[in-house]
Amino acid sequence: GAGVSQTPSNKVTEKGKYVELRCDPISGHTALYWYRQSLGQGPEFLIYFQGTGAADDSGLPNDRFFAVRPEGSVSTLKIQRTERGDSAVYLCASTGQGALGANVLTFGAGSRLTVL
Amino acid sequence: AQSVTQLDSQVPVFEEAPVELRCNYSSSVSVYLFWYVQYPNQGLQLLLKYLSGSTLVESINGFEAEFNKSQTSFHLRKPSVHISDTAEYFCAVSGGGYQKVTFGTGTKLQVIP
Repeated sequence: GAGVSQTPSNKVTEKGKYVELRCDPISGHTALYWYRQSLGQGPEFLIYFQGTGAADDSGLPNDRFFAVRPEGSVSTLKIQRTERGDSAVYLCASTGQGALGANVLTFGAGSRLTVL
Repeated sequence: AQSVTQLDSQVPVFEEAPVELRCNYSSSVSVYLFWYVQYPNQGLQLLLKYLSGSTLVESINGFEAEFNKSQTSFHLRKPSVHISDTAEYFCAVSGGGYQKVTFGTGTKLQVIP
């Protein structure tokens, strides 16, 4: 697509529920990143994929968080047993090939998660 | 490990005055440096980047930043700000290649008419 698409744009859920957030990157972009942005903070790295594999998942806060990218395009961030502290805007970004251009991230509009 | 420090959380400045938003980084490897901007109710977008070559980089809307390796800084400047520059600005660093990009906590620029 023309840009990075994230759905849903807003998600309100109850503590303890399971949530899935979807990201559709720019067509042809091989690398896909997930970040979390809490109020008043900068984007916090969670995980990034190179193709289908998770190249770096060091930012996932605990084992309740998991992400997949089975066909190397769309990615889903999955959060189990949600907690109120998970409330944030979840940002997805993608980047294309080219050594110098590899880190230029194009962000989606984000998915705002509110856990009640 | 890499990190970014943006010491100023908010910077108020009068319209047409100059502004400098400070950014210092730490990295154990060679770096790529970025400034991203988030306008009210919009997503993050790239403002400018330093990848290699000239240490002074410019954006299309008059901002510039200079990579200073000895001071590990990448401060953002504009000689004359406009109301439309009101936004939150994030400095970011990466070690290159397909590596994670680490962001600072952001600086809110408030342009006062």
